[in-house]
Amino acid sequence: EVLLLESGGALVQPGGSLRLSCEVSGFTFSDYAMSWVRQAPGKGLQWISSISGGGTSYDADSVKGRFAVSRDNSKNTLYLQLNSLRAEDTGVYYCAKDRVVGGLGYFEKWGQGTPVTVSS
Amino acid sequence: DIQMAQSPSSLSASVGDRVTISCRSSRHINFSLNWYQQKPGKAPKLLIYGASNLESGVPSRFSGSGSETDFALTINGLQPDDFATYFCQHTYGVPYTFGQGTNLEIK
Repeated sequence: EVLLLESGGALVQPGGSLRLSCEVSGFTFSDYAMSWVRQAPGKGLQWISSISGGGTSYDADSVKGRFAVSRDNSKNTLYLQLNSLRAEDTGVYYCAKDRVVGGLGYFEKWGQGTPVTVSS
Repeated sequence: DIQMAQSPSSLSASVGDRVTISCRSSRHINFSLNWYQQKPGKAPKLLIYGASNLESGVPSRFSGSGSETDFALTINGLQPDDFATYFCQHTYGVPYTFGQGTNLEIK
């Protein structure tokens, strides 16, 4: 069974930092790209970052230079380093397992999410 | 960036109804369109990928259609478990934008 378990969410002051983790099981982690998606309270979904199995990453403009996605394939774990946090970064952060079939990509499985609150 | 316009933003329907949710992209995206269902306090769940491919384990009352810029999610014979929020998403290159969501409520 594919499982994704996020952790690391917390209450942090504006300007602070946080590292989120997503530990996975049930599949060969290094074979799949992974993504982070966030959801502000009562709002929709926003793609944040994606990283290939080999470590090539892509970030949304809104977090470029502040957030950094990485992965440790030996530990089956995806990370998201959040720096220079702002109030608008508040929300639930989900990790997702990417899949591509016939050139068509999608987020096949999601974790349960970890909440981040940026407030003084 | 490709923008996704989803409509309606909310919808009231009854058990047994047939409902359709639309999603329009600002540029041609071929068939790179996915649909997700989300219930309150839960993670999104994949329903349809590649515009019309039903994810394994998803009931056949869900179907997707469309290509290029205009897409639709149809639910035939609404069940109580289907009342949730639905999001479309394109994956035709980053950033992978989502629609703003459709909240499907019980009438």
